[in-house]
Amino acid sequence: GENVEQHPSTLSVQEGDSAVIKCTYSDSASNYFPWYKQELGKRPQLIIDIRSNVGEKKDQRIAVTLNKTAKHFSLHITETQPEDSAVYFCAANLFGGYNKLIFGAGTRLAVHP
Amino acid sequence: GAVVSQHPSRVICKSGTSVKIECRSLDFQATTMFWYRQFPKKSLMLMATSNEGSKATYEQGVEKDKFLINHASLTLSTLTVTSAHPEDSSFYICSALAGGRYEQYFGPGTRLTVT
Repeated sequence: GENVEQHPSTLSVQEGDSAVIKCTYSDSASNYFPWYKQELGKRPQLIIDIRSNVGEKKDQRIAVTLNKTAKHFSLHITETQPEDSAVYFCAANLFGGYNKLIFGAGTRLAVHP
Repeated sequence: GAVVSQHPSRVICKSGTSVKIECRSLDFQATTMFWYRQFPKKSLMLMATSNEGSKATYEQGVEKDKFLINHASLTLSTLTVTSAHPEDSSFYICSALAGGRYEQYFGPGTRLTVT
């Protein structure tokens, strides 16, 4: 079946450094790629998303890049802060359209002061 | 905007009993709601897709007679875990999708413990 692979599974950085999380997807029809942040015991929160008609999107310290040819997309967090510590999930919509999401396995990011 | 609530946040029940979890979109109409299960330190596992006014679509391996889903209105979907067993203990999360939108917004989750 279709899947989304996410790397790395854990990431440890010093405060102020950048963090990059990468995902690859298999469904050629996918056209929507959200990123969620989940703190322990809390709901996943949508932090940024990108559609297939653009290659990059930025929102303050967070950016997402998409390479449709290679079927991969990445989350970039600059000037990391301790409050960025959480689990991050990438996802892709199955079959395109307003449809269910396939999630990556998650990346546990730890930002050390 | 885009607030999704879930009730209850925690529930403990005995084996063999049934538990109902509610998912509500508070400030938008959700044409589609999704139910996920999440094990500790794991990703979100989609259980079923719920469309208002129609039968839910279950993912492979999810027992539809055990996990009953009802999406009776554009703001409410319910998940009933029937004849619960300890292995059903988990974190259950719903998400809601507004018509014509791609973004899914998640509820706060329900932690179910079956004793």
